[in-house]
Parts: sequence; structure tokens; C-alpha cells
Amino acid sequence: DAGVIQSPRHEVTEMGQEVTLRCKPISGHDYLFWYRQTMMRGLELLIYFNNNVPIDDSGMPEDRFSAKMPNASFSTLKIQPSEPRDSAVYFCASSFLPTSGRFGGELFFGEGSRLTVL
Amino acid sequence: AQSVSQHNHHVILSEAASLELGCNYSYGGTVNLFWYVQYPGQHLQLLLKYFSGDPLVKGIKGFEAEFIKSKFSFNLRKPSVQWSDTAEYFCAVNARNAGNMLTFGGGTRLMVKP
Repeated sequence: DAGVIQSPRHEVTEMGQEVTLRCKPISGHDYLFWYRQTMMRGLELLIYFNNNVPIDDSGMPEDRFSAKMPNASFSTLKIQPSEPRDSAVYFCASSFLPTSGRFGGELFFGEGSRLTVL
Repeated sequence: AQSVSQHNHHVILSEAASLELGCNYSYGGTVNLFWYVQYPGQHLQLLLKYFSGDPLVKGIKGFEAEFIKSKFSFNLRKPSVQWSDTAEYFCAVNARNAGNMLTFGGGTRLMVKP
């Protein structure tokens, strides 16, 4: 199994530019999560999907952020326009079982996309 | 809302020393508890989890954690650390009725000196 695949691994862009981060979850996983990791705020859940449907996006910082999951094997996180404070590592994770369920589903994380906005 | 506190932000140990990392959460109901590890430059991976049964949970690489409900704690332990355990450790909690809102603690950076 290839695991969760994210691209790009690194992105450096200028303030105001559009950024698109991509994620391919593990085949058969029904849940997909987007997290942001910064030194100041740690790991924050931005949004998660179940069966391609966004379930909770309360962690999305503002309207500049949007996420889609057009099919079971692909999701995007878009920032438009980007700002320097968006600089972070963005992780995508998928799971087969719900984390809140009786068996405490494990999250499988991708390698992350390190975003630097100048 | 649930929250997770990891009181030790940085820990430095020598090889063979014993390790205990604290984790406390704030939620009064049923929870699932997790410890994840992030080795330098790598993605997070699961160390161990608790969802029911024996409150002493054993994970990979000799790690274990004990769920103490009365103390809202899920501390991570290892009797003898190795240099390869140098990493950042994250405690995470998911309340059973909170959807899949897995909340992570701030992390503890462990450095093991050879």
C-alpha cells in the first residue's frame, strides 16, 4: 500500500498567490482529514470528509481556505489569496474507521506539504 | 469542547533512562485516546490507542500508556529509551459524541542523548 500521498512536498509562493495542495487517501478509507501544523498552534484540524462529503469545516480559518473531495481518491485544499501567516505544514490523513467510534480508528498521515508564503 | 494538555514541551534524556510523558484531557464523557509519534522529517504515525478494556495499553517499540479515568490522564511511558526514540510525541483525544474531531495536544519534543 502506498499510503497517503500528498503533493507538493514543498511550496514557496508569494503573498496573494493561489496555493493548491493535493491529497490521495489510502484506497478504501472513507474518512479524509486536513490538518495544519505550526509551531505556535500545534496540530489543528481544518476539515474532514466522510464518503467525499465535508462533515465539519469549523476549523477552516477563513474564507480564503476551501477544500474539496470530488471523488474517493482525491482531495484538494486551496488557499486564495495566500498570506505569510498561512505558512505551515499541511497534513492530509485518512482512516477506515471513525476516530470517535467504538474501535478508535487510526489516522494514517501523509508526509505533509510544507508551505512558505513570502 | 475537548482539549488536550501536554505539560512537558521539551524533554532531554540519556539513553536507557525511563520516560514518562504527561497527557491530560478535559472531557467528562467516553473518549478514545491516542499517542502519535513524529520522527524528524517524517509524518505522524500511531504509537498506541485506547478505546475500551484494559486501561494499560501496550504499543509499538516498547511504549505503553495508562488511562486513568479519575485523573483524565493518558500518560505515555517507556522503561528504557533509545537514541532512535528522539521525536515529537502527540497525545490526542476524540470524544465519542464529538464526531471525528480528534484533538491533539501541543506535542512533546523528546531528545535522547547517546
